[in-house]
This record gives sequence, C-alpha cells and structure tokens, in this order.
Amino acid sequence: AQSVTQPDIHITVSEGASLELRCNYSYGATPYLFWYVQSPGQGLQLLLKYFSGDTLVQGIKGFEAEFKRSQSSFNLRKPSVHWSDAAEYFCAVGIYTGNQFYFGTGTSLTVIP
Amino acid sequence: DADVTQTPRNRITKTGKRIMLECSQTKGHDRMYWYRQDPGLGLRLIYYSFDVKDINKGEISDGYSVSRQAQAKFSLSLESAIPNQTALYFCATSEEGGGPETDTQYFGPGTRLTVL
Repeated sequence: AQSVTQPDIHITVSEGASLELRCNYSYGATPYLFWYVQSPGQGLQLLLKYFSGDTLVQGIKGFEAEFKRSQSSFNLRKPSVHWSDAAEYFCAVGIYTGNQFYFGTGTSLTVIP
Repeated sequence: DADVTQTPRNRITKTGKRIMLECSQTKGHDRMYWYRQDPGLGLRLIYYSFDVKDINKGEISDGYSVSRQAQAKFSLSLESAIPNQTALYFCATSEEGGGPETDTQYFGPGTRLTVL
C-alpha cells in the first residue's frame, strides 16, 4: 500500500536559518511527488512537484526539493527562512492509476525572530 | 477570482442535521475531489469524480454522499451530521489523466464545519 510519512510534526527555526522538512514515501514504482503549503486559514498551495528528470526541483517562494530514490525521500529545503514561511507543509504522493493522492500528516513550521 | 471556490467557508450545525457543502471550479477540469483534514491526520479522500457520470468512493466515504451536477460543480452532503464529522473540508480539481503534468491537484480554500 502507498503511504507518505512526515516524521516531524512540528519544527521551529529562526528567521534567516536554513530549513529542511522530511518526507518519505512507500510505493512500488516511481511516484509523482508534491509539496503543498497551507497558511493559517487558507487552502493548500502547490509549492513544487517532481515527475521525472532532474531530481532537484525548484518551486515557488525559494523552496526546492530533492528526490532520492535510494532513500524513498523527497525532502523540502529552503536556504533562508522568512517569517512568512510559517505554515503547515504537506508532502503528497500521486498515484497515476486512479489519479489519487496520498498525503502525509503534515509538518507545522514556526519561525521565530 | 479564485479558480476553485467553496461555500460556505464556515458552518456550524447540530447533530442529525443534513448539510451540503458546495464546490465550483472555473479551471475546466474534469476531475474533482473532496477531502477532509483533521489535526494530526493530514488530508483524507472522501469521494472523487472523474466526470459527471463517474463517482467513486475514497478512503473515508461512510456518512457522506456526493453529487456532480455539472463539470464545474461537485457537492458533498452529510445526510445526518455527527460530531466526529467536525473537520476542515477541501475540494480539489485536476485535469483528465493523460500523464504526470495533468495529475496536479488544485485546492479550494476549505470549509470549516463544526457539528455540535
């Protein structure tokens, strides 16, 4: 069965510090991988996605993510966090057959001045 | 205007009441989805529809029903609401499956439902 694990429920970083949010997936083939961000009171906004090709993908708001097949991971990174990055982040796996998504449980990011 | 809209944005209701959440989209997508979000559980799929005549149950469909009135409209109903259906509900859309580029889902702003 497909699954997505985000091992960190909550992360706190200082503004200007680097950030890495972890995501691991379980799926028999190469999945489609996504990161979404949910700001307080808002819907989910797509940050970036990986389908194939270059394993380092760039997204909006200065985020990037790296697909590592050997580790079944798709970690999200940002070199310098801004206070406005405080939000909930969701990793998702897209399964082409059935066009279904499986979401992780989310990582809540707090940014301190 | 937003591509995916949900109404209402907030709703408080009582146990046993029937309520309907509505979703409309202007993206021209064939596929629509309903999810619920609970703290610590992420998003879970309730129902999805690949076109007007195709509706499928998701992971947690019990206690819910849906109606796809048109390509652009997908409604979620709780026939007899219960307190554990208190959650944040999201509608999403995607293009008809044809490869990875069409498999991205786009979300509405959510409806916060409270069942007392």
